[in-house]
Amino acid sequence: DTGVSQDPRHKITKRGQNVTFRCDPISEHNRLYWYRQTLGQGPEFLTYFQNEAQLEKSRLLSDRFSAERPKGSFSTLEIQRTEQGDSAMYLCASSLLPAGVPYNEQFFGPGTRLTVL
Amino acid sequence: QKEVEQNSGPLSVPEGAIASLNCTYSDRGSQSFFWYRQYSGKSPELIMSIYSNGDKEDGRFTAQLNKASQYVSLLIRDSQPSDSATYLCAGPSFNAGKSTFGDGTTLTVKP
Repeated sequence: DTGVSQDPRHKITKRGQNVTFRCDPISEHNRLYWYRQTLGQGPEFLTYFQNEAQLEKSRLLSDRFSAERPKGSFSTLEIQRTEQGDSAMYLCASSLLPAGVPYNEQFFGPGTRLTVL
Repeated sequence: QKEVEQNSGPLSVPEGAIASLNCTYSDRGSQSFFWYRQYSGKSPELIMSIYSNGDKEDGRFTAQLNKASQYVSLLIRDSQPSDSATYLCAGPSFNAGKSTFGDGTTLTVKP
């Protein structure tokens, strides 16, 4: 399978615990995105990377959230001191962006569903 | 005002009919738009991309972009029950960065 993969697919945790999610993008894709989606809403942007550089982070994202892409391949998203409001589907997407191309087709992984009790 | 607005749903059409999904955006600098299909409990799947004014056809799907009026639409011809899903419009994509999604329109195709 050469698509975007995410692990775990489901995570149930207690409030106050830390959780970490992993995303493996499509091979050779240089951009990687994290989104969050709740029921009835579209995906909400969290952050994105070009190679290992984090280029943008949503202003709505609290400092409990951190993401890394240390070698420009897989990425991790960590949520510290989880709250019930963090319950959502966390989606990862990747894209291949040659220089000078203004568009950006993103391909999504299956998501990680987080439930905070 | 949200950056990307989709027509409120849900939308229900009979099998074989044309389904029309609409999306408006607020920023005239937007260059590219995307339509994603999302089945219940699944992640979004890219079905159409459009970058230029006019129509773009792919099988039963036609995307239309009108930059002057700031709207983008998706037509699904010969709708099938398997088309029943939520359709998400995404854009703009400044400097090919993040995408901003609408909240989706849920389509039901009745046999």
